[in-house]
Amino acid sequence: VIWMTQSPSLLSASTGDRVTISCRMSQGISSYLAWYQQKPGKAPELLIYAASTLQSGVPSRFSGSGSGTDFTLTISCLQSEDFATYYCQQYYSFPWTFGQGTKVEIK
Amino acid sequence: QVQLVESGGGVVQPGRSLRLSCAASGFTFSSYGMHWVRQAPGKGLEWVAVIWYDGSNKYYADSVKGRFTISRDNSKNTLYLQMNSLRAEDTAVYYCARVQHYYDSSGRDAFDIWGQGTMVTVSS
Repeated sequence: VIWMTQSPSLLSASTGDRVTISCRMSQGISSYLAWYQQKPGKAPELLIYAASTLQSGVPSRFSGSGSGTDFTLTISCLQSEDFATYYCQQYYSFPWTFGQGTKVEIK
Repeated sequence: QVQLVESGGGVVQPGRSLRLSCAASGFTFSSYGMHWVRQAPGKGLEWVAVIWYDGSNKYYADSVKGRFTISRDNSKNTLYLQMNSLRAEDTAVYYCARVQHYYDSSGRDAFDIWGQGTMVTVSS
């Protein structure tokens, strides 16, 4: 099983801030990493796949980087609609696993 | 439009069974692998099971192996999750999700389309 450590679990920020979320793997996964956004009461939505490829329709203020064991999601200029919970997910090997989640809240 | 709609959730007693369905529309269902992912109240996402686009491979999380069965009927564009011997810890919202690329046989694919979820509560 590939263990994932996502940090921080809670991030307080203001509109316009640049925020960074980290995801660390217990073993290398190449670039088989996705980031999802989930709002309360809604299903997750795919933001980024292959560690750094933006899903169609996702604003360019979202970006992803990393490979191997260390990955980062960056929101360059936080907007009101970005306050949500974010999850990383590895799809390199079975079982597919998710990070614990990072809740981005209004400061 | 591309859509997944889950159904079949509800309140069930421990030890009983329930079958979830996920109806697909707007895409060629038979060309895509499908997953079930669950989320306990106030908790994070937990992968549950996957089935290849042609049903040739199925994998399960250890927490449900031997109790849950994933299946699909490509003629009805529907994914299923048969849940037996339910436990309180199975209480969650269950989502079905589609893999990104058709005819993927590697399993190395993100989940690009999700249903709205169906709630399963296991309680006496």
